Amino acid sequence: GAVVSQHPSWVICKSGTSVKIECRSLDFQATTMFWYRQFPKQSLMLMATSNEGSKATYEQGVEKDKFLINHASLTLSTLTVTSAHPEDSSFYICSAGQPHITDTQYFGPGTRLTVL
Amino acid sequence: AQKVTQAQTEISVVEKEDVTLDCVYETRDTTYYLFWYKQPPSGELVFLIRRNSFDEQNEISGRYSWNFQKSTSSFNFTITASQVVDSAVYFCALSEATSNTGKLIFGQGTTLQVKP
Repeated sequence: GAVVSQHPSWVICKSGTSVKIECRSLDFQATTMFWYRQFPKQSLMLMATSNEGSKATYEQGVEKDKFLINHASLTLSTLTVTSAHPEDSSFYICSAGQPHITDTQYFGPGTRLTVL
Repeated sequence: AQKVTQAQTEISVVEKEDVTLDCVYETRDTTYYLFWYKQPPSGELVFLIRRNSFDEQNEISGRYSWNFQKSTSSFNFTITASQVVDSAVYFCALSEATSNTGKLIFGQGTTLQVKP
């Protein structure tokens, strides 16, 4: 299957700082990338859908000014958590796909964010 | 409204036992896709299977098999002769074709523990 990478795999930051997470599709061009958040022992919650070259579509309840998403190329999307707070601590997972071809999404390994 | 229900929160079996993970879905679409993903302790989601709504054939892949029944809106997953390495959280997910976004709706997940 297709390979999706995320960087960093884990990050610890101080409250009030911003953190950027990268998601890359390594062997295919992803027209769409998705960002999820997962709390311990819970399911994945979709935060936003990102299409290359256009603004991301955020799910209800997700603050677009806090979670900045950029999808500048067909292989890279970034999620920036701005002014992070301890409640933003979570496991962030991206996935990449080509919805016009197939509904299968391929997931990155996730990034564990801890805000102190 | 679309929804995926995995009623079993946790299942514990002894190695070599067979185990079935249940998945029930709700959708108004006639064209949709169903998925199973495995999330081991490392956190990365591993794609297991994708099934479209027009294909009700059951599928077998090694020790894994899937039973898709549109009449009961179920897409159950059976592991035969379970092994310790099967211990993970398993997610069932639904994607609706008419949305054309590729968005996945996840169930709550079933934690499978296989004891030696």
